[in-house]
Amino acid sequence: KQEVTQIPAALSVPEGENLVLNCSFTDSAIYNLQWFRQDPGKGLTSLLLIQSSQREQTSGRLNASLDKSSGRSTLYIAASQPGDSATYLCAVDRGSTLGRLYFGRGTQLTVWP
Amino acid sequence: EPEVTQTPSHQVTQMGQEVILRCVPISNHLYFYWYRQILGQKVEFLVSFYNNEISEKSEIFDDQFSVERPDGSNFTLKIRSTKLEDSAMYFCASSRDYDTEAFFGQGTRLTVV
Repeated sequence: KQEVTQIPAALSVPEGENLVLNCSFTDSAIYNLQWFRQDPGKGLTSLLLIQSSQREQTSGRLNASLDKSSGRSTLYIAASQPGDSATYLCAVDRGSTLGRLYFGRGTQLTVWP
Repeated sequence: EPEVTQTPSHQVTQMGQEVILRCVPISNHLYFYWYRQILGQKVEFLVSFYNNEISEKSEIFDDQFSVERPDGSNFTLKIRSTKLEDSAMYFCASSRDYDTEAFFGQGTRLTVV
């Protein structure tokens, strides 16, 4: 079974700060790790996908890293803005299951002006 | 940009009634999924569907649940006899392949009264 843990559960920062969200998973036999954003009462927006053969993926102010052997990923957000306020979810698959994603509880981020 | 669309956005039903949640996956995707999120809980996998059959289902997906792809565009989740504990946000997702990026819809909030 794949267990996904995200730390911290909540984070409140002033605008402009750089921040790091952490994700760990128990089964390192993964194909991919995906980071999502969820606004209150809304769907999941895919932010980044890192394949197991990659160590890093970047999209704009977001940078995600993956250390598959230790079962860890970080999402780095540069120069945070109030519009970044949302819950960030980490999800991994498990090599033996076709496409099934296992989610963490998320990190609830608040960026205040 | 292609997106996964779900209808309705909110459904209220009486306990014991049947509900059908509808999804239109992205058109060139081959893998389809249903997930649910009970308020305040993790996003949980229900079922994956490929080549017109279920490829995997979780322990949540019991005999009360069924999925169908009735035509070339729709993907449905049916709950035969709803229980209070079925109240949740239900997300449909699709991916081109089992190891590629998954895209989620905006969700259907199901309230069982």
